[in-house]
Amino acid sequence: AQTVTQSQPEMSVQEAETVTLSCTYDTSESDYYLFWYKQPPSRQMILVIRQEAYKQQNATENRFSVNFQKAAKSFSLKISDSQLGDAAMYFCAYRFTGNQFYFGTGTSLTVIP
Amino acid sequence: EAGVAQSPRYKIIEKRQSVAFWCNPISGHATLYWYQQILGQGPKLLIQFQNNGVVDDSQLPKDRFSAERLKGVDSTLKIQPAKLEDSAVYLCASSLGSGFREAFFGQGTRLTVV
Repeated sequence: AQTVTQSQPEMSVQEAETVTLSCTYDTSESDYYLFWYKQPPSRQMILVIRQEAYKQQNATENRFSVNFQKAAKSFSLKISDSQLGDAAMYFCAYRFTGNQFYFGTGTSLTVIP
Repeated sequence: EAGVAQSPRYKIIEKRQSVAFWCNPISGHATLYWYQQILGQGPKLLIQFQNNGVVDDSQLPKDRFSAERLKGVDSTLKIQPAKLEDSAVYLCASSLGSGFREAFFGQGTRLTVV
């Protein structure tokens, strides 16, 4: 069974600093996708970054980057130069082709001015 | 490009009543998902449609929940009768196809059952 684990229910970071959110997953598949979604109080899930499992290079989107360790089944999100607007719930998600998204329990990120 | 539209945004009902949620996916998106998100948890899939056919409804409590997607576009999720434990946010999402990478989410409907 596919499971996604986020072991940090809450994290905080000073504005302009860097924070890393952790995620591990369990799967027997070899080809899949991993995602980080952001959910602000408005409740809409917004895609932050995605990673294809067959790509060894870590994905980067502006201030957001991931550390993808396929063998360890680890997928962490690094937010650099944190901004107040980054405060939200962050969900790690896993998907293999054609199927549903499996979500972790989320990490609540607070950005301290 | 318009996003995924959901209505209503909020709904409060008494237990044993019925309720329906509506979702209009992004135009051209063949795959539609309904997720249930209980407070403090990650979203859990209720049902996945590909066009107007069901791909996965293994976690849908079929004794009280039903969903349909007419003409492969809009979708409706119904709960009848509602229980207290159905209090949650119901998220609708869509993607171009089941093989495509990301899904786009609506703002969800917050249901409170009292």
